[in-house]
Amino acid sequence: GQNIDQPTEMTATEGAIVQINCTYQTSGFNGLFWYQQHAGEAPTFLSYNVLDGLEEKGRFSSFLSRSKGYSYLLLKELQMKDSASYLCAVRTGMNSGYSTLTFGKGTMLLVSP
Amino acid sequence: DTGVSQDPRHKITKRGQNVTFRCDPISEHNRLYWYRQTLGQGPEFLTYFQNEAQLEKSRLLSDRFSAERPKGSFSTLEIQRTEQGDSAMYLCASSSTEYQETQYFGPGTRLLVL
Repeated sequence: GQNIDQPTEMTATEGAIVQINCTYQTSGFNGLFWYQQHAGEAPTFLSYNVLDGLEEKGRFSSFLSRSKGYSYLLLKELQMKDSASYLCAVRTGMNSGYSTLTFGKGTMLLVSP
Repeated sequence: DTGVSQDPRHKITKRGQNVTFRCDPISEHNRLYWYRQTLGQGPEFLTYFQNEAQLEKSRLLSDRFSAERPKGSFSTLEIQRTEQGDSAMYLCASSSTEYQETQYFGPGTRLLVL
């Protein structure tokens, strides 16, 4: 089966940097996604990693280490609107002709002034 | 590109009633997914279509759940004889078959079973 762990809650201050960690145990790994979800809204795509290393996209960066089963999402220059749940999702099953995403429970980030 | 749409956005029903939700994917996407999300949890995969073919349905929660995508465009998810435990957000996502195959989510249908 799949197991994805991420912290339940984090708090940070506006303008600061925060790192949200995700560890996973899975078979057939084929990529890791980060999504942002505001309360009552749909998840929106933030980043994708399939190879080891850092992917940077504006204020957001995501890192992957496949050997360690570890990823993190780095948010810089935090803004109040970044208060949301951040979901780590692992993709598996590509070789069977289709892929599925298994999500963690999400990390609720609260940004304070 | 108007994104993934879902209808209705909210549904309140009484236990034992049947409900049907609709999803319209991004027009050029041939893959469509249904998920269920409960409070404090991440989305849970239910079923998957490639064009009109339902390629994975073993994760549907019970035989009361069924999904269709008759013409390979919009999809419906039906829950028969609803139970209070079915109360959740039902999310639809779509993707293309190109590199990365990012899944883009609709706004969801929030179901409350009384």
